[in-house]
Parts: sequence; structure tokens; C-alpha cells
Amino acid sequence: ETGVTQSPTHLIKTRGQQVTLRCSSQSGHNTVSWYQQALGQGPQFIFQYYREEENGRGNFPPRFSGLQFPNYSSELNVNALELDDSALYLCASSSPGRHTGELFFGEGSRLTVL
Amino acid sequence: TQLLEQSPQFLSIQEGENLTVYCNSSSVFSSLQWYRQEPGEGPVLLVTVVTGGEVKKLKRLTFQFGDARKDSSLHITAAQPGDTGLYLCAGNYGGSQGNLIFGKGTKLSVKP
Repeated sequence: ETGVTQSPTHLIKTRGQQVTLRCSSQSGHNTVSWYQQALGQGPQFIFQYYREEENGRGNFPPRFSGLQFPNYSSELNVNALELDDSALYLCASSSPGRHTGELFFGEGSRLTVL
Repeated sequence: TQLLEQSPQFLSIQEGENLTVYCNSSSVFSSLQWYRQEPGEGPVLLVTVVTGGEVKKLKRLTFQFGDARKDSSLHITAAQPGDTGLYLCAGNYGGSQGNLIFGKGTKLSVKP
């Protein structure tokens, strides 16, 4: 069984640029969630995708957007990067029928905005 | 707005000691998870509790869910250096499946 994989693991951008982060969900999982974890904080929910549609969104501006593909992999796009966007971005997948919210996380993409 | 408070924020103990970490909310959870995160890695699920008053054991770790489903605790017996990490509690308030509210975490350091 393949776990959640994310790419890239680290990247550096400058203010105003755009970034795309990628995630492959765990085998058999059709729901993908994205979280932002700033230094010293717990993860914060950005949004969730189920069957290629956004299915829940946290308190993040529209410049945070996403996609889910037919194979359940997903992308997180952030436009007009700001310094405060520097964080660890975590992707998590969950299996269908699990209504207790258990998530399986990837190792994350560490984004630094200069 | 739901908020999870974790305490203590930092904990540094010697190998063999016992410890308890707390997670509190003013709102009722439909379920609660505990995760452990090591530097540079994503959180790893330890346990899920669903029923008020529920107690679950995972080797030296004991997890308790409050009767009113607003609080939880994690107790570690005879801590070992391998227990070092960030312990996060996360609550599901009945929103979408992947929408968890996380606490800020308890950073545990166990010294040999």
C-alpha cells in the first residue's frame, strides 16, 4: 500500500510569485485535504477535495486554490505569494466511509517566501 | 469559532518519568484524534476516540475522552527518548470529513 506522497519537499519563492504543490493520495483514498502549518503552530485546514470537487474550505483567501484529478491526486496553487505564506503545506488523504475524520498525512512541502 | 487548547505547550522530562498532556475545547467534538509529528515530517495518527468516557491504550500511551466529549488527555507511562516529538490533538466538529481543528501541540522532549 502506497502512502501519501508530496512534491516538492522544499522550495523557495519570492513575494508575488505563484506556486503549485502536488499530492498523491494513499491507495484507495478518494478524499484529499490540504493543511498549512506555520512554525510553532498546529496545522490549519485550507480545503478538501472529494470526487474532483471542493468539499469544504477553511478561512483562506481565494488566491489559495486547488484541483483533484480522476486518479485522486491533487494540487494546491497559491497566487501572489506573501511572506506569511511561508509554512509547511501538508496533504492528507482519507478513505471513503470513514466519518471519524482520520487523516493520513504526507511529509509536507516546506515553502519559504522571501 | 471552535478552538482547541493544548497544555502544556512544552515538556522536558527524564527517561522513565510519566506525563500527561491535555486537550480542551468549549465545543463538543464528534470525534477526536491524537497525532504525533517529528521534525520535517507529517503528523502520524495515534488514536481516534469517539464515545464520551472512552479510554484507549496503545502500549505505554493511554488516551481518555471526556464524558462530555469536550476534552481529552494523553498519558505516557515510563517515557522513553523515542517518545520525543510534537503531540497534536485534532477535533472533528461534524464538518466535512477532512476538516479537523488542530491544537498548537505539545512539544515533548525525553532525555536519556
